[in-house]
Amino acid sequence: GQNIDQPTEMTATEGAIVQINCTYQTSGFNGLFWYQQHAGEAPTFLSYNVLDGLEEKGRFSSFLSRSKGYSYLLLKELQMKDSASYLCAVTTPLVFGKGTRLSVIA
Amino acid sequence: EAEVAQSPRYKITEKSQAVAFWCDPISGHATLYWYRQILGQGPELLVQFQDESVVDDSQLPKDRFSAERLKGVDSTLKIQPAELGDSAMYLCASSLGRTEETQYFGPGTRLLVL
Repeated sequence: GQNIDQPTEMTATEGAIVQINCTYQTSGFNGLFWYQQHAGEAPTFLSYNVLDGLEEKGRFSSFLSRSKGYSYLLLKELQMKDSASYLCAVTTPLVFGKGTRLSVIA
Repeated sequence: EAEVAQSPRYKITEKSQAVAFWCDPISGHATLYWYRQILGQGPELLVQFQDESVVDDSQLPKDRFSAERLKGVDSTLKIQPAELGDSAMYLCASSLGRTEETQYFGPGTRLLVL
């Protein structure tokens, strides 16, 4: 089976940096996705990590350590529009965590 | 930009009634997924199709739920009879090929069972 853990909620200030952690235990692992989901909307793809290390994409970066079963999503220069849930998902098969609800405050 | 289409966007029904949801994946995407997402939870896979074949339906409550993708393109998810606990967002996603590839989600159908 697969078990994915993320913090339930986080709050950060506009302009700051926030790190959202995800730990997983899985019987089979190919890669890890991060999705963003605004309230009432569908998830949208942010990143996919297969190899260990950091991948940067604009203000968002994602890190993976396969040996530790650990990933994080780093959001820089936070904006109010970044307030959303961030879902960690591992494959194969694709299983989602419960998501971390991020609130960005002024 | 190509998108996954779903309808209806919202559905209110009474328990014991039948409901059906429709999904049209991105053109050329062979793999189609139906997920259920309860408020405050992550999406839970109900069924996965590769073309017209079911690849994984281990989490589909088969006594009341059914899904089909007859021509390997669009798909229908049906619930009969609906129960109060079925109130949730039903998401459809598609990917070009295998599970490891990025899944693109439709806007979802929000179901409320009264």
